[in-house]
Amino acid sequence: GQNIDQPTEMTATEGAIVQINCTYQTSGFNGLFWYQQHAGEAPTFLSYNVLDGLEEKGRFSSFLSRSKGYSYLLLKELQMKDSASYLCAVVDSNYQLIWGAGTKLIIKP
Amino acid sequence: NAGVTQTPKFQVLKTGQSMTLQCAQDMNHEYMSWYRQDPGMGLRLIHYSVGAGITDQGEVPNGYNVSRSTTEDFPLRLLSAAPSQTSVYFCASSYGSEAKKLFFGSGTQLSVL
Repeated sequence: GQNIDQPTEMTATEGAIVQINCTYQTSGFNGLFWYQQHAGEAPTFLSYNVLDGLEEKGRFSSFLSRSKGYSYLLLKELQMKDSASYLCAVVDSNYQLIWGAGTKLIIKP
Repeated sequence: NAGVTQTPKFQVLKTGQSMTLQCAQDMNHEYMSWYRQDPGMGLRLIHYSVGAGITDQGEVPNGYNVSRSTTEDFPLRLLSAAPSQTSVYFCASSYGSEAKKLFFGSGTQLSVL
């Protein structure tokens, strides 16, 4: 079967750095997305990786290793507004999205 | 440019009732989809469409119907609501015929009593 694993919850301190991991086992691979979802709101796009390596976008970076079935989202200089759930999703061989259950990130002052 | 507009925001139904969740997008996206989100689970695809007149089933289609008569609209119909359909529903669209970068509607919190 297809599986996406993420930690359920993480806690970090304002101003610090946090890394949210995502491992996947899917039938084929055509890219990996990270979305941010604030409580009670819709998911919004953060990043997309299809090739191995690190993609940096401001305070957020996303890394992909296809051989290891692994990605991480790195958030720097954490702000209180970064408190949200972070969803990892993989595009499978049928170009459908397979979603992880999400990681709830709690930022403490 | 409103993006993806989804209504209603909240809905309470009794078991056996039917209703339609509305979804419209003004970005000329070919791909539209409906997801449900339940606690502790990833988003699950209910139905999707790759263009007007074309619909297909996702992971959890039972109890739901869709139609795509225009590029803009993609309503989701609950035929006979059941408590197991209590969930948060999201409509999402993307450019092209595949699930690429998705733009989500604001969601519908549905409770079936």
